[in-house]
This record gives sequence, C-alpha cells and structure tokens, in this order.
Amino acid sequence: NAGVTQTPKFRVLKTGQSMTLLCAQDMNHEYMYWYRQDPGMGLRLIHYSVGEGTTAKGEVPDGYNVSRLKKQNFLLGLESAAPSQTSVYFCASSYAQGLGNTEAFFGQGTRLTVV
Amino acid sequence: AQSVSQHNHHVILSEAASLELGCNYSYGGTVNLFWYVQYPGQHLQLLLKYFSGDPLVKGIKGFEAEFIKSKFSFNLRKPSVQWSDTAEYFCAVNGPGFKTIFGAGTRLFVKA
Repeated sequence: NAGVTQTPKFRVLKTGQSMTLLCAQDMNHEYMYWYRQDPGMGLRLIHYSVGEGTTAKGEVPDGYNVSRLKKQNFLLGLESAAPSQTSVYFCASSYAQGLGNTEAFFGQGTRLTVV
Repeated sequence: AQSVSQHNHHVILSEAASLELGCNYSYGGTVNLFWYVQYPGQHLQLLLKYFSGDPLVKGIKGFEAEFIKSKFSFNLRKPSVQWSDTAEYFCAVNGPGFKTIFGAGTRLFVKA
C-alpha cells in the first residue's frame, strides 16, 4: 500500500518552461489537494478536487492548472514557470470533507526550483 | 475568513524538557482539528486529531493536545521531548464548508 505518491521528487525549470507534477493515491479517496509550502507561510492550497472529473480553485491558483481524469490521479500543471513558483509542492488526499474522518494523507513532496 | 495562528515560529528545548505549542483558530462553528509533524526532509504526517468527544486527545509518540472551545485553542503538549522530536509542527483545521487551513508552522529543535 503506497499511499500517496508524487513524481518527480526534484525538478529545476527555466523561467517560461512548463511541467506537470503527478500525484497518485491508492486509498480510493474522493478528495485530492495540491499545496505549496513556503518558509514561514505554512501550506497554502493551490487547487483541489472533490471527485473524478472535478476541480476547484484554492487559495493560490494563479499560474497553475489541474486535472482529475481518474479518481486515483491528480495532475498539477505549471503553464509558464516563474521564479515565484519556486517551492515545495505537496499532494494530499482525504476520505471525506465536512466533519469527522477528514485528515489528509500527504505525498513525499516535489522540490521545484525555477531559475 | 477562517485562519489558524501558531504562536511560536521557532522553539529550542533541551532533551527531557516539556513542550507546549500554541494553536488558535478563528471559526465559530464545529471544526475538526489536527496536528501534523514534518521531520526533516520528509512529508507531513498526522500526529493527532480531534473530531468530537473527549477534548484531551492523545496521539503518537507521547503527544497530546487539548481542545478548549471557549478559547478557540488546540495546544500541543509533550511532557518530555527527545532529540528525535526535532521537526516542524503544523496545526490545521477544517470543517463543513471550508477546506483544511494550516498554520504557519513551528520549528522545534531539541538539543541532545
């Protein structure tokens, strides 16, 4: 049982390049999330999905796109990378929202540097 | 808007010292509360959670947290820290109608 798996783990991009981060979960979770982690700012939600075929904007969505074509996969795309997108990106999934069993399970993270 | 405040950004303790990390949230309704831990170079892992019932919650590795509804607080405690507790700790909250919000994190360094 792998849990939440992110690829790649590290990446260096030049300004203006594009890339896609892949997140896969094998826990049959409905909800999936992409966060970015920056020093002193905690985790900020970029986009999320409440089920296959659905996506929604989070707190900091600009410059990113996402897709959830399959329940187990959640892709994060950077259309034209900027130095401000240098960060550590975490994917997470959860069983439910609302009240109760809503804790998130996180992937190992992707450290992205944009030069 | 909902928010989570963690009082200390950096904490340095000696081994065997007691730990208390503060967390306050702003939301008047029913919430779920969490503490996550991130060891150096690793991903976030759930330390403990509160949904309902006993406001004193026990988690892994000897950690506990107390939910005080009147103070909108969910402070994390450990009676005696170890060097291996060196990590960053995040308080988080979610609830009906809003997604999980994380605090800025507290970096704990435990001196051996």
